[in-house]
Amino acid sequence: DAMVIQNPRYQVTQFGKPVTLSCSQTLNHNVMYWYQQKSSQAPKLLFHYYDKDFNNEADTPDNFQSRRPNTSFCFLDIRSPGLGDAAMYLCATSRDGNQPQHFGDGTRLSIL
Amino acid sequence: QKEVEQNSGPLSVPEGAIASLNCTYSDRGSQSFFWYRQYSGKSPELIMSIYSNGDKEDGRFTAQLNKASQYVSLLIRDSQPSDSATYLCAAGQGSGGGADGLTFGKGTHLIIQP
Repeated sequence: DAMVIQNPRYQVTQFGKPVTLSCSQTLNHNVMYWYQQKSSQAPKLLFHYYDKDFNNEADTPDNFQSRRPNTSFCFLDIRSPGLGDAAMYLCATSRDGNQPQHFGDGTRLSIL
Repeated sequence: QKEVEQNSGPLSVPEGAIASLNCTYSDRGSQSFFWYRQYSGKSPELIMSIYSNGDKEDGRFTAQLNKASQYVSLLIRDSQPSDSATYLCAAGQGSGGGADGLTFGKGTHLIIQP
C-alpha cells in the first residue's frame, strides 16, 4: 500500500546532541510537511517542501532544519535539542497542495 | 494570526447517539477544511474534507461549513465506542489545504459511553 513512513517511531537523545528524523513516501506527492505536536496541543507546522522549494514558518526555531534529497524522502534535523523540543513529530504529504494531507505514524522524541 | 478554535471537551455522548463537534476559524481566506481523528499516541487520520458551504455526508459522518459565520462542524451518527478519540479541525488556504500547510485547532476529546 502507498504510505507515508516515519522512522524511527521513538527516538531518545541527549540534551544538545543532534538528531535526525526521517520520512519517506510512496505516494509520489509533491508536497511534504513537518509538524510538531506537543501533548494536548494542536499540530504546529514547522516547514514544508513543494518539490525542491523549501518554505520555513516564521516562528520555526533556527535549531530546526530540513532536507529533501529527492521526491521520496524528507529529513528533519534538530541541531541542538533542548528539553522543550520533546514532542511528536509528524510528517505529512499532499499531491499538489490541492489534495488533503496524509500523515505518517509520527516519531515521538524524548530528550534526556 | 490564523487561528482555529475548538472546545477541548471532553464531550461525552451515549453510544448510538449523535455526536456534534464544532470549530470556528479566524482567516476568511481559508478555503478548505478538514476533520482529522487522532487516537492517543497516534497520528491524525483524515475523516472528512469540505470546501463549499453546506453539508457533506460520508457514511456516519456529516461535515457542515458556513463560511459567512466562519464555522465548521462534524456530526457523527450512531456513535460507537471506537469513535472515542480527539477530533482535530483544520483550515487551509487552497482548495486542498494549499501548499502552505494547515492550521489546526487543539482538538475536541470525544468520549462515547457504552
